[in-house]
Amino acid sequence: KNEVEQSPQNLTAQEGEFITINCSYSVGISALHWLQQHPGGGIVSLFMLSSGKKKHGRLIATINIQEKHSSLHITASHPRDSAVYICAVADNTDKLIFGTGTRLQVFP
Amino acid sequence: DTGVSQDPRHKITKRGQNVTFRCDPISEHNRLYWYRQTLGQGPEFLTYFQNEAQLEKSRLLSDRFSAERPKGSFSTLEIQRTEQGDSAMYLCASSPTPRGAYSNQPQHFGDGTRLSIL
Repeated sequence: KNEVEQSPQNLTAQEGEFITINCSYSVGISALHWLQQHPGGGIVSLFMLSSGKKKHGRLIATINIQEKHSSLHITASHPRDSAVYICAVADNTDKLIFGTGTRLQVFP
Repeated sequence: DTGVSQDPRHKITKRGQNVTFRCDPISEHNRLYWYRQTLGQGPEFLTYFQNEAQLEKSRLLSDRFSAERPKGSFSTLEIQRTEQGDSAMYLCASSPTPRGAYSNQPQHFGDGTRLSIL
């Protein structure tokens, strides 16, 4: 069993839909990261959180430390949101353990 | 902030050859990480540096792999006697030193070096 599990693996949506991507982890962590990866490889950090909830524009990330679970929500999805979204957890060295990613396609 | 730079972007080589990749982190970042990503998978940790010191290496990093960060700035990752299984995207990331004992910092990623072994 992987230390970081994401669901779903693939997700398609119509423009405007509300999207949720889930992440569960089985190890002790000091922070959880949500990352976005576009075709070609570039990875962008979206959120780093260790408790509660963070919001940036149309993106919201939540974490429940007791349940070892996090969710990434995208409101009013847009085709430009199409990418792979990766959950990663960090220990106190900041070394990241990654999930396998969720491939999101948003159609107009 | 010019971002994390990796060179080359793509490398195609024959099996058995040696390859070296370079990563230039964001200038004030003390920590530098190397990850490897195969197709359809999430990245996997290889090694990381705090300044010039290599503090941890993954079991994935066989003795054919070596990484250096000689002056605490840029880093190189060398693979000797490449094998088909080394084909992957090699990602570098950097972050500032955490402010407290257990605080974390976001990592800034380069665009990666895609290695193809023929």
